[in-house]
Amino acid sequence: EPEVTQTPSHQVTQMGQEVILRCVPISNHLYFYWYRQILGQKVEFLVSFYNNEISEKSEIFDDQFSVERPDGSNFTLKIRSTKLEDSAMYFCASQGLGGETQYFGPGTRLLVL
Amino acid sequence: AQSVTQLGSHVSVSEGALVLLRCNYSSSVPPYLFWYVQYPNQGLQLLLKYTSAATLVKGINGFEAEFKKSETSFHLTKPSAHMSDAAEYFCAVSDLTGTASKLTFGTGTRLQVTL
Repeated sequence: EPEVTQTPSHQVTQMGQEVILRCVPISNHLYFYWYRQILGQKVEFLVSFYNNEISEKSEIFDDQFSVERPDGSNFTLKIRSTKLEDSAMYFCASQGLGGETQYFGPGTRLLVL
Repeated sequence: AQSVTQLGSHVSVSEGALVLLRCNYSSSVPPYLFWYVQYPNQGLQLLLKYTSAATLVKGINGFEAEFKKSETSFHLTKPSAHMSDAAEYFCAVSDLTGTASKLTFGTGTRLQVTL
């Protein structure tokens, strides 16, 4: 069964450093998402992406964040200058055309020190 | 704006007992509703979804949920809990299909199953 994959599973970084989180969505899906879950809190929407552009972004998704689909398979989330409060689990999800379900990857746990 | 309220951050049941996890939603348009399960140190797995067809929806692992428009609810049930059901359960709402539509999640309910 096709699944969404994410790398790395864990990342530790210093405050102010740039991080890139990678996702490989399900191959025929067209809609892509990033969510995050701060420890002990609910899952929050960050951004949605379709047809090579952002469809919607939340207030969390400020100028420090960017997304890209560089090669038609990977979908990346970049945080330019990480802050302590960026520490969270980041989930990628993908959705097929005409489908309602978002399929989630296993997540990347980011720790900013 | 859409929102989801999950009553009870922690629910504990005995093995074999009924599981009832509550979810109420708020939406200005007909909603699509989802239950996801998160096992420890894992991602989110879809349990079941309501997309305006049958109001009683059956999902994986013996779970089901009933959409009640008059009560704006979508409670998750399972007749007989199993130890393997211990996990965190999230209710989520979406307002569109076939487009890039975000999910709005509730705060989650952690289900504990005891012997």
